[in-house]
Amino acid sequence: DIQMTQSPSSVSASVGDRVTITCRASQGISSWLAWYQQKPGKAPKLLIYAASSLQSGVPSRFSGSGSGTDFTLTISSLQPEDFATYYCQQANSFPSVTFGQGTKLEIK
Amino acid sequence: EVQLVESGGGLVQPGRSLRLSCAASGFTFDDYAMHWVRQAPGKGLEWVSGISWNSGSTGYADSVKGRFTISRDNAKNSLYLQMNSLRAEDTALYYCAKDLGFLEWLGQADYWGQGTLVTVSS
Repeated sequence: DIQMTQSPSSVSASVGDRVTITCRASQGISSWLAWYQQKPGKAPKLLIYAASSLQSGVPSRFSGSGSGTDFTLTISSLQPEDFATYYCQQANSFPSVTFGQGTKLEIK
Repeated sequence: EVQLVESGGGLVQPGRSLRLSCAASGFTFDDYAMHWVRQAPGKGLEWVSGISWNSGSTGYADSVKGRFTISRDNAKNSLYLQMNSLRAEDTALYYCAKDLGFLEWLGQADYWGQGTLVTVSS
């Protein structure tokens, strides 16, 4: 099974900061990676699919990059509504899907 | 507007069964694969199962394989999860989610329901 490891597990940042979250796959997954945002008490929201494609309606301050085993989610200028937990997810090993353990983004 | 509404959760004793349902609307249901994803209290997301648009392919997490069965009724725009031999560790909020891919399995979900809570306890 493909394991997904996110780092850091938590991060503190301020409004306006640039933040990067990384996700590493235990084996190559090409670009079969998505990023989700989840706020407390809410369902996850798709931000990025296919490693770098921005989902419709998602602000352009969110971007994704990477392929193979190493991926990043970058928020270019943090807004108050961005404080949430972020998950990466691989979908390379059809039909299996695996999530990372999550990264909690907190206000400094 | 895409809507996914889960139902069927509740309190159940270990070893018993439960069937979850997800009613879909706002999109052509039989054009998309569907998934169940769960989240234990205070924990991360765990993919549980997925099914292709025509039910031709299904997948399960190792943690539920042999106990859970996913199915769909395209005529009723509904997704199901039959859960047997339930364990305490199955306690979670279960989300229904729509796959991003049109007539293909991308494994990435662009719409989610609000979830139905399953609690397994004696």
